[in-house]
Amino acid sequence: GDSVTQMEGPVTLSEEAFLTINCTYTATGYPSLFWYVQYPGEGLQLLLKATKADDKGSNKGFEATYRKETTSFHLEKGSVQVSDSAVYFCAAFSGTYKYIFGTGTRLKVLA
Amino acid sequence: EAQVTQNPRYLITVTGKKLTVTCSQNMNHEYMSWYRQDPGLGLRQIYYSMNVEVTDKGDVPEGYKVSRKEKRNFPLILESPSPNQTSLYFCASSLYGASTDTQYFGPGTRLTVL
Repeated sequence: GDSVTQMEGPVTLSEEAFLTINCTYTATGYPSLFWYVQYPGEGLQLLLKATKADDKGSNKGFEATYRKETTSFHLEKGSVQVSDSAVYFCAAFSGTYKYIFGTGTRLKVLA
Repeated sequence: EAQVTQNPRYLITVTGKKLTVTCSQNMNHEYMSWYRQDPGLGLRQIYYSMNVEVTDKGDVPEGYKVSRKEKRNFPLILESPSPNQTSLYFCASSLYGASTDTQYFGPGTRLTVL
């Protein structure tokens, strides 16, 4: 069945460091891909999305490119801030009304 | 303000005592969904609804029921809760459930079943 695999955390970085969180998927067809962020005590918020191959989603300095050849959607940010500390979820939507989420990666940014 | 609301936010109950977690959205969305979040497992979809009176199972529907009698409401029912249903539950909605739609999440309901 469809699945989303993302790197295990926690990831601990110093402020202004470069961030990469890996995400790969297996799905029939060409799913839409999403990154969601969950701040402590809150629900999930959409961070960015890409709906077809080679699309790049971007928001708040975060970017991710839909790579069909490697079935990946890695999240990157050039310079993280303490306020980016949160849990990040990669997700796929395969067009059958079902969403598949990864297990989440906790990011902690130190001042 | 556009939002998804859930009630209660926190609930402690005992095995076998029926409970309902309510979910409501004010965005006129057709698609609504329930998830549970567990450590190491991420979010797993329980049930979803494409429109009024149209619901379908997600990946982990056992032990849960839902109903969609009005577009804005999508309650989650646990008729006989068990300890393995202790979890953090999220309701979400999107406009049509299309692959390009954004899902909006509620704040979560933390359920403990003793």
